[in-house]
Amino acid sequence: DVKVTQSSRYLVKRTGEKVFLECVQDMDHENMFWYRQDPGLGLRLIYFSYDVKMKEKGDIPEGYSVSREKKERFSLILESASTNQTSMYLCASSPTGREQFFGPGTRLTVL
Amino acid sequence: QQQVKQSPQSLIVQKGGIPIINCAYENTAFDYFPWYQQFPGKGPALLIAIRPDVSEKKEGRFTISFNKSAKQFSLHIMDSQPGDSATYFCAAKVTGANNLFFGTGTRLTVIP
Repeated sequence: DVKVTQSSRYLVKRTGEKVFLECVQDMDHENMFWYRQDPGLGLRLIYFSYDVKMKEKGDIPEGYSVSREKKERFSLILESASTNQTSMYLCASSPTGREQFFGPGTRLTVL
Repeated sequence: QQQVKQSPQSLIVQKGGIPIINCAYENTAFDYFPWYQQFPGKGPALLIAIRPDVSEKKEGRFTISFNKSAKQFSLHIMDSQPGDSATYFCAAKVTGANNLFFGTGTRLTVIP
């Protein structure tokens, strides 16, 4: 079974803090994705990566950056967290971009 | 701008009913249309998918109907069960791209 793990299930941070969300997949997938999920807005793509050190902006990249130094690991960075970044963050991986395998999510609260 | 428009936002049906969730798109470069199911506290998981060269795909109690000329596709759940209560997302992928565009989700509740 494909396993996508995310470093935390729940995270509480203060405004202005630098926040790292980590995602690891164990299936040697080329593609990895970061989404945020908000009620009524569905899943919105923040960034994705199709190879090590490669990244592409999604629909809502503002306020976020990413890092992919190793194939299995894709990190989402909030350089200076703001309250409007309070959300559920979902990581996914995929061999082709078709079937995506999601992690359980990290619920981030920024106070 | 939402690339894939999904409705309704929420849906309540009795056990045994047939909930229908609809999605519409404009981009004719889409060539793959999956549906994802998400239970509370879990990430979404692929449920069923269709390509635009077929009009219907069935897997167990789940059916996708696809209307290429209308640029619409829908998910039907036959003989729905309380265990089907979840949020459902439609999605679409452009030919050659690596990412999916998701709809806004439909929260389905099946009452026993």
